[in-house]
Amino acid sequence: KNEVEQSPQNLTAQEGEFITINCSYSVGISALHWLQQHPGGGIVSLFMLSSGKKKHGRLIATINIQEKHSSLHITASHPRDSAVYICAVKSQDSNYQLIWGAGTKLIIKP
Amino acid sequence: NAGVTQTPKFQVLKTGQSMTLQCAQDMNHEYMSWYRQDPGMGLRLIHYSVGAGITDQGEVPNGYNVSRSTTEDFPLRLLSAAPSQTSVYFCASSFSGGPYEQYFGPGTRLTVT
Repeated sequence: KNEVEQSPQNLTAQEGEFITINCSYSVGISALHWLQQHPGGGIVSLFMLSSGKKKHGRLIATINIQEKHSSLHITASHPRDSAVYICAVKSQDSNYQLIWGAGTKLIIKP
Repeated sequence: NAGVTQTPKFQVLKTGQSMTLQCAQDMNHEYMSWYRQDPGMGLRLIHYSVGAGITDQGEVPNGYNVSRSTTEDFPLRLLSAAPSQTSVYFCASSFSGGPYEQYFGPGTRLTVT
């Protein structure tokens, strides 16, 4: 079993819909990262969080440390949000290395 | 700031050839790392460095060498390319000593025939 699991693997939605992508992990962590990768493009960090909730524009990330679960929400989704969203956690046992989820491929149709 | 730069963007090698993928950052980050990304899989750590002169192996180090002679540069060397090394390679950097945001280069798409 992977230490970081994302769901769903693939998600297709209509423009304007509210999107939720989930990340569950099985190790103790000091931080969780959400990143975005556009087709053929590089990887951009969206959020890094260790508790509570963060918001940036239409993106919201939440984390529940007790339940070892994080969600990434996109409000009023737009075709330009189409990308792969990746969750990664920094284990408490490591100063440096991240444990990566396999990613969620999101397609927003106009 | 240029951030994290990688060269080349694309490369085709024949089996057995060697080459070096270049990575540089101008943010004075101590931590630098190399990942490979294959279809359907998460990023896998190849090698990482926590400062000049210090490197260590990640999850999939076989067939790759690294060195870190300066804070800015972290080249990845393929010693004898194999088709299994066909992948997209990303370099990343961050401050170390805590959970810090990771900055990624644009990637190098490598094909080994």
